[in-house]
Amino acid sequence: EAGVAQSPRYKIIEKRQSVAFWCNPISGHATLYWYQQILGQGPKLLIQFQNNGVVDDSQLPKDRFSAERLKGVDSTLKIQPAKLEDSAVYLCASSLSQASGNTIYFGEGSWLTVV
Amino acid sequence: GENVEQHPSTLSVQEGDSAVIKCTYSDSASNYFPWYKQELGKGPQLIIDIRSNVGEKKDQRIAVTLNKTAKHFSLHITETQPEDSAVYFCAASTNNNDMRFGAGTRLTVKP
Repeated sequence: EAGVAQSPRYKIIEKRQSVAFWCNPISGHATLYWYQQILGQGPKLLIQFQNNGVVDDSQLPKDRFSAERLKGVDSTLKIQPAKLEDSAVYLCASSLSQASGNTIYFGEGSWLTVV
Repeated sequence: GENVEQHPSTLSVQEGDSAVIKCTYSDSASNYFPWYKQELGKGPQLIIDIRSNVGEKKDQRIAVTLNKTAKHFSLHITETQPEDSAVYFCAASTNNNDMRFGAGTRLTVKP
């Protein structure tokens, strides 16, 4: 079974530039998550989708971050304009459904450095 | 929202010894508690989980205990091996599977 696919794996941009990350979840998984993991910290949930609807985006900095999952499959996370503190690994994850106890599977992450 | 605290932040043990990592959570509605292992350059991988209606679960050298009253849960690794060296995260979620993670424990197993 193919895992969660993410691209690009690495990105270096200057502050105030924009960047977009793409994620393709495990086939059949209705729930998709974006997490931000700053070096030395645990993953922080940015946004959770159930199919193409947003379940939770309470920790998403909406002035600069946006995410969409238009057809309920793959998803894009965008940052515009980027700040130095956005340097982190952006992890996409998916689960079969949003019911409690469904295993969440992570991709390998997209590493962002803002200089 | 849910707040998960994890201790210790680093842990070093000799090969063959046991390792224990502890977490506390704040939201009494949390009912699912997974543990993830993250190796350098990779995403977290689930190693064991426990639901709120169970007090203890074991899988070979790994066990997890849950105390709902005190809102804390622990990971126990016995007979540690060098390949157990990694960062371990605890997490907690409610009925929406909205996982919140602890800050992580870097475990080093010395040969």
